[in-house]
Amino acid sequence: QQQVKQSPQSLIVQKGGISIINCAYENTAFDYFPWYQQFPGKGPALLIAIRPDVSEKKEGRFTISFNKSAKQFSLHIMDSQPGDSATYFCAARGSSNTGKLIFGQGTTLQVKP
Amino acid sequence: DGGITQSPKYLFRKEGQNVTLSCEQNLNHDAMYWYRQDPGQGLRLIYYSQIVNDFQKGDIAEGYSVSREKKESFPLTVTSAQKNPTAFYLCASTPAGQAHQPQHFGDGTRLSIL
Repeated sequence: QQQVKQSPQSLIVQKGGISIINCAYENTAFDYFPWYQQFPGKGPALLIAIRPDVSEKKEGRFTISFNKSAKQFSLHIMDSQPGDSATYFCAARGSSNTGKLIFGQGTTLQVKP
Repeated sequence: DGGITQSPKYLFRKEGQNVTLSCEQNLNHDAMYWYRQDPGQGLRLIYYSQIVNDFQKGDIAEGYSVSREKKESFPLTVTSAQKNPTAFYLCASTPAGQAHQPQHFGDGTRLSIL
């Protein structure tokens, strides 16, 4: 299965709260899991990424948690800010030779002041 | 500054018309990709190219065509065979064959039907 399932579709969080977005996959051959952030009218920009041999990666307020046995990974945004309001996509790469990514459906995050 | 330039930002297509979307990169990346973005469906791969003069179909290639005559350029043609072309089109690139290198995206072209 080449799908990546992302939830929730939309999320509203108060300023200072924690935003959590989840993704699940089936293909155990996926070897790289990036998260992208997209603002309206712009292209996605890489936020943070993880390899399957690592259970957690943190960069500033953004953390990826990875559960290889459950084939799930999630993005946590700590101390969420209104400037974090954007659409977030998880993705998985099936082959390092082609670099092809399979994207989740996206989550629209709104952080209320 | 290095990056990916997509043009035009907005494009309108008449019935039966082919239109071409431009994608240029100065990152010296080998691999380039075209995605289509529709609300609630994420990004779907149309075509990709790993080297000049070679390209492969993605998941939704029907109604589209590409060329890769130069390393820095990967134009996408939306043909009249594509019956539902209204979408946001994104071009991306990455160094080919390097593990764990992210794809870099342009700022997209929004295509609408007149």
